[in-house]
Amino acid sequence: GESVGLHLPTLSVQEGDNSIINCAYSNSASDYFIWYKQESGKGPQFIIDIRSNMDKRQGQRVTVLLNKTVKHLSLQIAATQPGDSAVYFCAENTGGFKTIFGAGTRLFVKA
Amino acid sequence: NAGVTQTPKFQVLKTGQSMTLQCAQDMNHNSMYWYRQDPGMGLRLIYYSASEGTTDKGEVPNGYNVSRLNKREFSLRLESAAPSQTSVYFCASSITTGNEQFFGPGTRLTVL
Repeated sequence: GESVGLHLPTLSVQEGDNSIINCAYSNSASDYFIWYKQESGKGPQFIIDIRSNMDKRQGQRVTVLLNKTVKHLSLQIAATQPGDSAVYFCAENTGGFKTIFGAGTRLFVKA
Repeated sequence: NAGVTQTPKFQVLKTGQSMTLQCAQDMNHNSMYWYRQDPGMGLRLIYYSASEGTTDKGEVPNGYNVSRLNKREFSLRLESAAPSQTSVYFCASSITTGNEQFFGPGTRLTVL
């Protein structure tokens, strides 16, 4: 899951396995949630988003699940590939300018 | 489309020096943002511009100023750099606030 601090949580998976990255968000009023991928030395890249009126959304090889009851968000990556190795972080927004970003989880994919 | 571009990519400053980080987007977005990213921490908002002609402070504005030059360009200025401003700076844009943000490649700034 997410944490704030110098050492990011790390998830290590075998190539071809499914990955699940978790995020606990902070504001019950947040109604828009985004997952970003950040590769080393690059800017964050949008993966998938979900609004609070949904509990699941699927993209290409990725699925986001939202549980508003426990303020939990997860990102599932199917058939994880070496190119998926990166830091993944969730973000929450209440509809205005302020987006709160988590510190991220580092995903390692073993070939 | 280039998306969001930032210059420079790297910069080393001495304490007290000034510099301006440049950002431009070609997606016709209304809103633009400046963030800093420190090791192990989430992105923190420095300043944002909800639309052309407006700018507002974010979470960590002290020591910075911004200019929304036109709809495309949003610059960040450090008037007197301090070692605490050593960080990676990202510019982002979105169609309006409350929507998906697109990020530039970042500027890695070191203040000695």
